[in-house]
Amino acid sequence: AQTVTQSQPEMSVQEAETVTLSCTYDTSESDYYLFWYKQPPSRQMILVIRQEAYKQQNATENRFSVNFQKAAKSFSLKISDSQLGDAAMYFCAYRSGDTDKLIFGTGTRLQVFP
Amino acid sequence: DVKVTQSSRYLVKRTGEKVFLECVQDMDHENMFWYRQDPGLGLRLIYFSYDVKMKEKGDIPEGYSVSREKKERFSLILESASTNQTSMYLCASSWIVAGQTNTGELFFGEGSRLTVL
Repeated sequence: AQTVTQSQPEMSVQEAETVTLSCTYDTSESDYYLFWYKQPPSRQMILVIRQEAYKQQNATENRFSVNFQKAAKSFSLKISDSQLGDAAMYFCAYRSGDTDKLIFGTGTRLQVFP
Repeated sequence: DVKVTQSSRYLVKRTGEKVFLECVQDMDHENMFWYRQDPGLGLRLIYFSYDVKMKEKGDIPEGYSVSREKKERFSLILESASTNQTSMYLCASSWIVAGQTNTGELFFGEGSRLTVL
């Protein structure tokens, strides 16, 4: 069975600095998708960034980028120029190409200090 | 924008009560999901529905049932609430991926925080 591991329960960063959140996954599939979701306090979960496994190029969305290491089964999220609004729970998620269901990691709580 | 609406943000119920959590989406998504979120455990799938009246058990279905009578509405039912069902419940929806080009991302509601006393 596929699993998703987020080994950092909590992280903190100074405003305007860069932080990297780690995620590893275990799968024997070759066709899959990876996601980072953000859950601000008391607000709904939103998609931050997605990566298709067949794409070698790392996905980027403004200040958010991923480091996708397929052989190492690693999918880390880099947040550049951190802002106070980035403070949230971040969840890594995996979807096999042959299913509609996502498997989530346990989450990383990010604090941003002024 | 996709909107997934959960009927109650906060509920307090007594042990043994029957609890209904309602979820409505407005994007004509085929798939709807109920997840449970607990600290340190992340999101765990309770039930999944891929069509009206169709359902599939997730990883932790015990103590829960679901109903999907209309495409836009997916209900989670706790037949007899217990204290260990105190949790945050998240509803999500998505387009079906089979034969499609979408990546299968989920769209979430704001969550329903249930406390069972």
